[in-house]
Amino acid sequence: ETGVTQSPTHLIKTRGQQVTLRCSSQSGHNTVSWYQQALGQGPQFIFQYYREEENGRGNFPPRFSGLQFPNYSSELNVNALELDDSALYLCASSLDGDRNQPQHFGDGTRLSIL
Amino acid sequence: GQQLNQSPQSMFIQEGEDVSMNCTSSSIFNTWLWYKQDPGEGPVLLIALYKAGELTSNGRLTAQFGITRKDSFLNISASIPSDVGIYFCAGQGGSEKLVFGKGTKLTVNP
Repeated sequence: ETGVTQSPTHLIKTRGQQVTLRCSSQSGHNTVSWYQQALGQGPQFIFQYYREEENGRGNFPPRFSGLQFPNYSSELNVNALELDDSALYLCASSLDGDRNQPQHFGDGTRLSIL
Repeated sequence: GQQLNQSPQSMFIQEGEDVSMNCTSSSIFNTWLWYKQDPGEGPVLLIALYKAGELTSNGRLTAQFGITRKDSFLNISASIPSDVGIYFCAGQGGSEKLVFGKGTKLTVNP
């Protein structure tokens, strides 16, 4: 158990809709990173939040956005959903965005787009 | 998106055998990590490596951070059925993001 919890576990949406995924970080961790994992692939970095500010972003369009709250929990929002957005969305928490503090993952949200 | 070169893609072994998998990159990394992912779950950290040349063990698992900082390997000794899963390597450079390999799917026959 990593202490990182994500909700919901599964979600089905249709093209064009919007979705919000949630993540609670491990106790004491102030950094949350989001990843997209397509079937049969490794996770791809979406963005990271450190102390409520975006701290780096991967190669994802602006319709992928996020928030981090004062308690360090986080949300991932995706607008105008496309079929290719179907994937497992993983959240990872760590301390201070420091490379010497490894990222610990939740079990993800499985998003299916019809 | 960027991914590391991880091999082999899959392995089928007998219980008790040793396993070796590796990961290479065209870029230098400052940290290498190895994760295991079971179906329906997120990746679980197995070993973290922070220094070139470092060799670290965690029970039956041993991993090394390559001296060039562009590669890493993971060995599993005396495999058991619960070792089944997908193993991912991940590299971290000077930034915050992890770059993952495509994974090695391990099957252990009892």
